[in-house]
Amino acid sequence: DAKTTQPTSMDCAEGRAANLPCNHSTISGNEYVYWYRQIHSQGPQYIIHGLKNNETNEMASLIITEDRKSSTLILPHATLRDTAVYYCIVRSGGSQGNLIFGKGTKLSVKP
Amino acid sequence: NAGVMQNPRHLVRRRGQEARLRCSPMKGHSHVYWYRQLPEEGLKFMVYLQKENIIDESGMPKERFSAEFPKEGPSILRIQQVVRGDSAAYFCASSYTGLQGAYGYGYTFGSGTRLTVV
Repeated sequence: DAKTTQPTSMDCAEGRAANLPCNHSTISGNEYVYWYRQIHSQGPQYIIHGLKNNETNEMASLIITEDRKSSTLILPHATLRDTAVYYCIVRSGGSQGNLIFGKGTKLSVKP
Repeated sequence: NAGVMQNPRHLVRRRGQEARLRCSPMKGHSHVYWYRQLPEEGLKFMVYLQKENIIDESGMPKERFSAEFPKEGPSILRIQQVVRGDSAAYFCASSYTGLQGAYGYGYTFGSGTRLTVV
């Protein structure tokens, strides 16, 4: 699976958009980009995933660059409850087994 | 539609005792994954099971740890002769299929069991 690089931490003002970047320059053609988050002391929560097209759901939007070497998770109107560690994971669509979590980005939403 | 249920939420054991952690996957899910999270560290994969089979145990410590997922009932992570270093949060996840991506929503995680060894 391709390696991902994320900033260690980010701050965001409440009500503003939070844009979390992820680099995955070695991604291959059949690998998906997944985003999860872990709010303090809770289990990880699936947010969104995509292959090459931009995706949107009720939680967030995922923007994947045309060359697929990087992506951005967008929380359009961040709230204090969005404070969490956000993990970007690249995983082959045809493979079985576990997700590999890196260190993620600690997002702090401030009032 | 209950999510992944883990129990107990908190477990305290003395050194040398056994710890048994239970995980009931979401309805219809037949794939279970166990992860461990040490204090202030990231999630580390331990083991991947399907019903009655261990598929990947590459993250399991070689001694004292075992896991099962019987035909009936929850998945069990067993830690024998616990030591202080086993104190951690243990998370279970389940999925409909082990294949990622094409089948949509990834894994669903439980709320974890926090093991404290005293």
